[in-house]
Parts: sequence; C-alpha cells; structure tokens
Amino acid sequence: DTAVSQTPKYLVTQMGNDKSIKCEQNLGHDTMYWYKQDSKKFLKIMFSYNNKELIINETVPNRFSPKSPDKAHLNLHINSLELGDSAVYFCASSQVVGPGNTIYFGEGSWLTVV
Amino acid sequence: EDKVVQSPLSLVVHEGDTVTLNCSYEVTNFRSLLWYKQEKKAPTFLFMLTSSGIEKKSGRLSSILDKKELFSILNITATQTGDSAVYLCAGSGAQKLVFGQGTRLTINP
Repeated sequence: DTAVSQTPKYLVTQMGNDKSIKCEQNLGHDTMYWYKQDSKKFLKIMFSYNNKELIINETVPNRFSPKSPDKAHLNLHINSLELGDSAVYFCASSQVVGPGNTIYFGEGSWLTVV
Repeated sequence: EDKVVQSPLSLVVHEGDTVTLNCSYEVTNFRSLLWYKQEKKAPTFLFMLTSSGIEKKSGRLSSILDKKELFSILNITATQTGDSAVYLCAGSGAQKLVFGQGTRLTINP
C-alpha cells in the first residue's frame, strides 16, 4: 500500500562504481522528484519530472542521470560514485494542482560510498 | 536565489514545555509554506499554509503564516518525548519546494 516506494533502502558501494535507485508512486501524481539529504539533514532538490518530462535540473553533476519511463516511475542512475555522494536520497511525488504542492516522500535510500 | 531559513537549528527542552520553531522564506512565485516532521525516515507532512494570519491546528501543534513578513512559526504545546524529531519548513514556488535546514528538537523526559 506504500504510496511512494524506492529501492534499495540501503546501499553500500565502492568509489567508481555505477548504481541505480528506483522509485515508483501509486498516487496518480503527475510530478516526481529526487531530493538529496546530506549529513546535516539539509534536503535539497536535484530533479523534478512532470509527466515524464524534466522540468527542474538543479546544479547536479552529470554523473547523476534521472530516467522517467512513465509518470509513475522516476529512477536515478549515478555513474562513477564519489565519497561525497554518500547521503540519503529521497524520491517524492506531488499533484501540481491548487495553491501549492504537498509533496509525499518515499522512505529514502541510504547510500554509502566507501 | 530562493532561500528558506529556520531557527533555532537545535532545541532541547523538557517534557511539558511549549516550543516555537521559526521559518523565514524568500521563494519566487511563492504559493504556500509547508511544515514536515522527520524522525528516522521520510519527512511526514504536518501543515500547508497559504493565507496570512489563519492559524492551522492539529492537536498540540499549530502553525501560522505571515506573508507580509515572509515568516511562519510552528508551535508545539505540552511537548512529549515523541515530538523529538527534525522539523522541516519548505516554501513552495512554481514548480518545487525549497527546504530549510531543519530544527532538531529534543524533548527530555
């Protein structure tokens, strides 16, 4: 019944590897996001997709590439992982209607690069 | 550049105390102000505020928005140990939420 689900929940990998995190939402929302939360708990947007189209691409290294096969899925692929990529990555979704965006978050993917 | 600033960054109080968490924002095409509570995992939604001066309440939690001063507060009365968490404030712009750095609240028994 999970509204926004992401896998894997925990990932430990070596520097230089390539890894992917998958995200799916069953809320029927049009917009999906990837946020990165660093060790100081600061949540920062990375990407946003609306109906499979990229609408926000913050200053993120090219090693990060999102892919949205349909509006219910937004995956994040990371190439050549670096130590500084260690963080919690949250997928989220919202329905962009009304006066504001209430965003619903997945449970996070804890990425540790060693 | 859009910015959301929360204060204090950290707060430790005793059970039963009342706390006030602050959030100031500068967000382009501002639409609403949201509060989230984050314990160990995903942030969970608390409030969305769109109008100035109208208090929203949920149990012991309440929040209000001042669109003139670009400011919001979150009040928690009669705090309990279960209120210990990071509280995140976010300003909603045209297409995204901009988060503050959070206030880490610790309630001691």
